[in-house]
Amino acid sequence: AQTVTQSQPEMSVQEAETVTLSCTYDTSESDYYLFWYKQPPSRQMILVIRQEAYKQQNATENRFSVNFQKAAKSFSLKISDSQLGDAAMYFCAYRNYGGSQGNLIFGKGTKLSVKP
Amino acid sequence: GAGVSQSPSNKVTEKGKDVELRCDPISGHTALYWYRQRLGQGLEFLIYFQGNSAPDKSGLPSDRFSAERTGESVSTLTIQRTQQEDSAVYLCASSLLGQGGEKLFFGSGTQLSVL
Repeated sequence: AQTVTQSQPEMSVQEAETVTLSCTYDTSESDYYLFWYKQPPSRQMILVIRQEAYKQQNATENRFSVNFQKAAKSFSLKISDSQLGDAAMYFCAYRNYGGSQGNLIFGKGTKLSVKP
Repeated sequence: GAGVSQSPSNKVTEKGKDVELRCDPISGHTALYWYRQRLGQGLEFLIYFQGNSAPDKSGLPSDRFSAERTGESVSTLTIQRTQQEDSAVYLCASSLLGQGGEKLFFGSGTQLSVL
């Protein structure tokens, strides 16, 4: 079974600085998707960025980028120029390319605080 | 609607009572998902609907949990004979086709507290 591990329960960053959130996963599949979701206090999960495993190029979305290391099964999220609105829980998630389309597997999350 | 809507936002119930949680997905989204989030934990998958069928219900923790979807729209998650360990936030999400790389759109969840 696939698993997702986020080893940092909490992280803190100064406004305008850069922070990296770690995520590792375990799978025997070769094709899959990886995601980072943000959960603010409103509880509504919001997609931050996604990566297809067959793509070697790291995904980027404005201030958010990932470092995808397929061999190491690592998928970290880098937030540049951190803003107060970035404060939230961040969840790393995995989903098989095929098979059960429903099963998006989440890590336990990292709580990010942004200091003014 | 404009987004995924869940009701009620909060529900307090007594142990042993049945509860129904409702999810209104984004109009036109064929895929609908239910997740459970215990305090301080990640999301646990419960069940996935494609249209009105549930091809994956592997995450339902016991036979006290059931879900249905009608009209390829509204879904109801029912928990019978609630237990204290059922206390959690129940999140619903929808996506257009249910394909692997699709973005899921989440509701704000129902906070269930079982006393």
